[in-house]
Amino acid sequence: GAVVSQHPSWVICKSGTSVKIECRSLDFQATTMFWYRQFPKQSLMLMATSNEGSKATYEQGVEKDKFLINHASLTLSTLTVTSAHPEDSSFYICSAYLAGDSEQYFGPGTRLTVT
Amino acid sequence: GENVGLHLPTLSVQEGDNSIINCAYSNSASDYFIWYKQESGKGPQFIIDIRSNMDKRQGQRVTVLLNKTVKHLSLQIAATQPGDSAVYFCAEKGARAGGFKTIFGAGTRLFVKA
Repeated sequence: GAVVSQHPSWVICKSGTSVKIECRSLDFQATTMFWYRQFPKQSLMLMATSNEGSKATYEQGVEKDKFLINHASLTLSTLTVTSAHPEDSSFYICSAYLAGDSEQYFGPGTRLTVT
Repeated sequence: GENVGLHLPTLSVQEGDNSIINCAYSNSASDYFIWYKQESGKGPQFIIDIRSNMDKRQGQRVTVLLNKTVKHLSLQIAATQPGDSAVYFCAEKGARAGGFKTIFGAGTRLFVKA
């Protein structure tokens, strides 16, 4: 089955620093990747849609200059949280979508804690 | 953001009983409706989906029912087991402003009592 990995699985960073999260599709080429954020006891909220080779499309209310998304290849998308603040602490989950396949494949998530 | 709940509703069932988890959706243009299971600290795991032109689909121990008239989706789990304890999310996939997206519902926490 299709596998999506994320790295790191958890990260702690200091307020004001930036942190990069990687999302990889291991055994398939993903034309589209999605980034979600999940706060404790809440649902997944879509942050942005990332298509390989083009700019990401951000959901309303998500700051594109704060959450930088790069989708340089069909197997890798990165999310960089810039100038992180404690309120950015959350569980970040990516998913990959293969055109023609109805299913989205989710990564295991990255727990970000900003101190 | 859409469909973000403040607190997850909880369903508690006895092991061996059937569970029914309900969900209301908003976008009548959605093509697919999907149920995901999420265990603590992990990403969502696909359970079953149903196309918008269907009203019922069965899998192994699970059945999804879709009522488009009232925009309601349900997941039935037969003979619920302790390993079924998790948070369950419904999601709708379809065309929205900005492209084809999967949007999650609020979620329900399922507790299975042994």
